Amino acid sequence: GNSVTQMEGPVTLSEEAFLTINCTYTATGYPSLFWYVQYPGEGLQLLLKATKADDKGSNKGFEATYRKETTSFHLEKGSVQVSDSAVYFCALSDNTNAGKSTFGDGTTLTVKP
Amino acid sequence: DAEITQSPRHKITETGRQVTLACHQTWNHNNMFWYRQDLGHGLRLIHYSYGVQDTNKGEVSDGYSVSRSNTEDLPLTLESAASSQTSVYFCASSESGTSGGETFFGPGTRLTVL
Repeated sequence: GNSVTQMEGPVTLSEEAFLTINCTYTATGYPSLFWYVQYPGEGLQLLLKATKADDKGSNKGFEATYRKETTSFHLEKGSVQVSDSAVYFCALSDNTNAGKSTFGDGTTLTVKP
Repeated sequence: DAEITQSPRHKITETGRQVTLACHQTWNHNNMFWYRQDLGHGLRLIHYSYGVQDTNKGEVSDGYSVSRSNTEDLPLTLESAASSQTSVYFCASSESGTSGGETFFGPGTRLTVL
């Protein structure tokens, strides 16, 4: 079956530091890949996505590239802000599960001023 | 704007009571899901539905039930609440028949079982 493995947290960074959160996946076929963000007290919301190999998703300074050869979708940001403090979930979705996504366990990011 | 709403947002109940958590979406999505979120476990799928009258068990379905009588609503019922069901519950929806479709989440219900 499908699975998503995220780097374990929590991650604590100083403001303006570089961020990488690793994500690898196992899936049949050609899934779409997502990063969701959850701010305190809220539900998950889509941060970015990529639907095919070598696609790069980007939003709010975050980027992730769909790497089929390494089955990875690592999240990066060049300069984090305090407001980026949240929980980040990597996820995949494929046609065989009719819209049912598989989520990683989430990585908690704290950015200190 | 389309959205998913959940009610109540917070609920305290006692062991053994029946509890129903409401979920309503205006995306007109066929797929709806219930997850629970606990520290150290990420998101775990409880039940899901691919359309009216369709329901399916997820990985942690024991003690929970759902029914789907229309497109918009998927209420989650805890038949006899247990302390192990203290958690944050998220309802979600997605469009069927597409790869690349994102999942939309409600704001969550925090349930405490005493």
